[in-house]
Amino acid sequence: AQSVAQPEDQVNVAEGNPLTVKCTYSVSGNPYLFWYVQYPNRGLQFLLKYITGDNLVKGSYGFEAEFNKSQTSFHLKKPSALVSDSALYFCAVRDGSGGFKTIFGAGTRLFVKA
Amino acid sequence: DTGVSQDPRHKITKRGQNVTFRCDPISEHNRLYWYRQTLGQGPEFLTYFQNEAQLEKSRLLSDRFSAERPKGSFSTLEIQRTEQGDSAMYLCASSSSGQGAPRVNEQFFGPGTRLTVL
Repeated sequence: AQSVAQPEDQVNVAEGNPLTVKCTYSVSGNPYLFWYVQYPNRGLQFLLKYITGDNLVKGSYGFEAEFNKSQTSFHLKKPSALVSDSALYFCAVRDGSGGFKTIFGAGTRLFVKA
Repeated sequence: DTGVSQDPRHKITKRGQNVTFRCDPISEHNRLYWYRQTLGQGPEFLTYFQNEAQLEKSRLLSDRFSAERPKGSFSTLEIQRTEQGDSAMYLCASSSSGQGAPRVNEQFFGPGTRLTVL
């Protein structure tokens, strides 16, 4: 069965500092991994994905994530946080070997302080 | 690209009533998903359509829930005999399976329908 864990309910960083939002996953087949962001009163927006290829993937708004197969992790990173990055971030996984069921984590709220 | 739209945006109903929600995906997307999201949780997968075929359905989904996607365009999600535990945000998403398309596997989400069961 697929599962996603986001171990931190909330991450606080100062503007200009690097940020990391953690995600670990479990899937029996090939993992398709995603990050989505949800701003207040707005729908979920796609940030980036890992399907195959380079372990470091770059996405929207300067975010990137590193796929680590041995640690079954897909942490979201940004070198320099902005106040406008404050939002709710969701990690998601799909078994790329079959099926289209996508499992989302519970979310991590990111607060960036000016 | 007009985005995914959902109707209504809000629905208040009494326990025991039936409700139906509509989702209009991005026109060229052949994949459509329904999710349920409660406060403090991530979206929970309900069901998946490829064109008009319902290919996956969550085992957690009660028999009171049914979804259709006639002609592979818009989709409806019906909840019969609503219960207070059905109160949640119901999200629809669509994606493309076009080979080689740059945004394959990315799900585009609608604004959701917030259901309150009294």
